[in-house]
Amino acid sequence: QVQLVQSGAEVKKPGASVKISCKASGYTFSDYAIHWVRQAPGQRLEWMGWINADNGNAKFSQKFQGRITIVRDTSTSTAYMDLSSLRSEDTAVYYCARPAITISGVVIPHEWYFDLWGRGTLVTVS
Amino acid sequence: DIQMTQSPSSLSASVGDRVTITCRASQTISTYLNWYQQKPGKAPNLLIYGASSFQSGVPSRFSGSGSGTDFTLTISSLQPEDFATYYCQQSYSIPLTFGGGTKVEIK
Repeated sequence: QVQLVQSGAEVKKPGASVKISCKASGYTFSDYAIHWVRQAPGQRLEWMGWINADNGNAKFSQKFQGRITIVRDTSTSTAYMDLSSLRSEDTAVYYCARPAITISGVVIPHEWYFDLWGRGTLVTVS
Repeated sequence: DIQMTQSPSSLSASVGDRVTITCRASQTISTYLNWYQQKPGKAPNLLIYGASSFQSGVPSRFSGSGSGTDFTLTISSLQPEDFATYYCQQSYSIPLTFGGGTKVEIK
């Protein structure tokens, strides 16, 4: 079925990096973007950035510029998010999410609403 | 960045109640406003997009309205499975931003 499967929980020390995977199945991976959204304990959802799964172009929220990398591997239909220089405030559940509309059809960012989410990956920085 | 403010932050209601949640944007966002439901330990689930369009499979008791800066999500008759936290999200400009959430609890 159509799903995004994320990698498992991670525990990292301050200053380290974490790399989370998001494997897509049930649809044509390159037809859609993949976005990353995180949620710290008891906090609101926070958008981090996105990748065009077709051409690999990625863009990020200014807040994470310089610390975040998003890449994709079309051969395995997997997107990866790497966050470096981790600090305690980065403790959160990290989600990958797919917009409801394909890359070719979407009006960016107006039609960036997400109808498919991964289950989330808990990253603990301690 | 556009700030999204939801009210109330939490509410208690009974099954069958009509529930209204408000979301206000710090600047006009036309109708680029989306609503999600999130249950504990789960990912968000899209309910409404474009302020008032229903996502496929969402029960008709959920509805959205508004434009500009003020939006509402209404649950016409609260059901046991609706107890959750609800978030609004603007897609008018980057970065996408979310409201602080409204937790709907059982009275």
